[in-house]
Amino acid sequence: GQNIDQPTEMTATEGAIVQINCTYQTSGFNGLFWYQQHAGEAPTFLSYNVLDGLEEKGRFSSFLSRSKGYSYLLLKELQMKDSASYLCAALDSNYQLIWGAGTKLIIKP
Amino acid sequence: ETGVTQTPRHLVMGMTNKKSLKCEQHLGHNAMYWYKQSAKKPLELMFVYNFKEQTENNSVPSRFSPECPNSSHLFLHLHTLQPEDSALYLCASSQIPRGQGTDTQYFGPGTRLTVL
Repeated sequence: GQNIDQPTEMTATEGAIVQINCTYQTSGFNGLFWYQQHAGEAPTFLSYNVLDGLEEKGRFSSFLSRSKGYSYLLLKELQMKDSASYLCAALDSNYQLIWGAGTKLIIKP
Repeated sequence: ETGVTQTPRHLVMGMTNKKSLKCEQHLGHNAMYWYKQSAKKPLELMFVYNFKEQTENNSVPSRFSPECPNSSHLFLHLHTLQPEDSALYLCASSQIPRGQGTDTQYFGPGTRLTVL
């Protein structure tokens, strides 16, 4: 079956760096998305990777290894507003999105 | 704001009530989706509409009834719900219809539904 695994919860300190991992098993692969969701709000698009490597967007970077079925989201210079859930989703060969359960990130001062 | 609005934001209903959730997208997209989000579970895709035609119903109980009068509006009609239906119901839209290519989905803020 198709599956996405990511940690349920992580805690980090303001100003630090945190890496949120995601592993996926899908029937074919057409890319991986990361979304951010603050409590009670809409999930918002952060990044999309389809090729191996690291893509940087300001404080956020996303990495993909297709051979390992692995991605991570790297958040630098953490701010309190980064406290949110981070959703990983992979696109399979039929362009269907397979979602992870999300990682709740708690930032402490 | 993502360009997708949902009303109401919160809804409490009894098991015998009938209510409707509304979603509107202002992005000119061609596909719209209903998702159910429960705590610590992956998003569950419920229904998909491509060009206002329903293309997917992922074994959703008949007490949930979708309606898509045009490509900008989507409704979810609710009747005789169960307490286990309590969840966050998210609407999303995308430019490229589902299954036809890679595209980003844009989400509304959701309706927090509580069934008593």
